[in-house]
Amino acid sequence: DAKTTQPTSMDCAEGRAANLPCNHSTISGNEYVYWYRQIHSQGPQYIIHGLKNNETNEMASLIITEDRKSSTLILPHATLRDTAVYYCIASNAGNMLTFGGGTRLMVKP
Amino acid sequence: GAVVSQHPSRVICKSGTSVKIECRSLDFQATTMFWYRQFPKKSLMLMATSNEGSKATYEQGVEKDKFLINHASLTLSTLTVTSAHPEDSSFYICSARGGAKETQYFGPGTRLLVL
Repeated sequence: DAKTTQPTSMDCAEGRAANLPCNHSTISGNEYVYWYRQIHSQGPQYIIHGLKNNETNEMASLIITEDRKSSTLILPHATLRDTAVYYCIASNAGNMLTFGGGTRLMVKP
Repeated sequence: GAVVSQHPSRVICKSGTSVKIECRSLDFQATTMFWYRQFPKKSLMLMATSNEGSKATYEQGVEKDKFLINHASLTLSTLTVTSAHPEDSSFYICSARGGAKETQYFGPGTRLLVL
C-alpha cells in the first residue's frame, strides 16, 4: 500500500464543512483511496472510497486531484457526532487495509 | 451499509485462561476476514488475514499458536486468545470484506482485559 500523510489533528465549527486532506504521492494506478473514521471505543466505520473520479454519498464527498497524489474528504455540515479519528488509506481493491495515524477531527459547538 | 458483529463486546478473564471472540458478517458473505488489535491511543495493527476454509496468514510478530483463528464459514470467523496474559489486554477488531465493491467493513470491537 502507498504511504499516506494526514495532519495529526484539526478543528471544525459545528455546521461548517470539514475538509480533511490526505497526501498519497506514491499511489499506484490501481490503488484506491479509502476513508474510514473511528469514534472513540468503536470499530472503524467505512465512509467512502474512490479511484480517479470524485465520489459523493450520504456521508461525505471525496475529491481526488487529477494526478491522484492527494485527496480531500469533505463533511459538508459537520456535527458534534462527527468528532472522530479519520483514516485515509491507499490500497488495492481486495487488499488488507493498513492504518496510519489518521487525523483527529474535533467538531466544536 | 454492510453489518459486521462481534461477540462479546467486552470480556474480563483470569491470566492463563482462553478467550474466544466471534466475528460475523450479518448481511453479506465474506470470503476474507481480518483481525486487528488496537492499544490505547494507537492505530489499528493487523494481526492476521483469514480466508474461508483455509489457514490464516499471520503478520510478522503475531504468534499463531497463541492467537488461533478459525474461518469455518463465509459469515463467521473466530479468534481465540490462548493462555491469556495481562499484556494481551487490548481492543480486538475484526473486519470482513464483501459486497459488490469488495469493501472492508469493521465490527464494533471486543475489549479484552486479562487480570
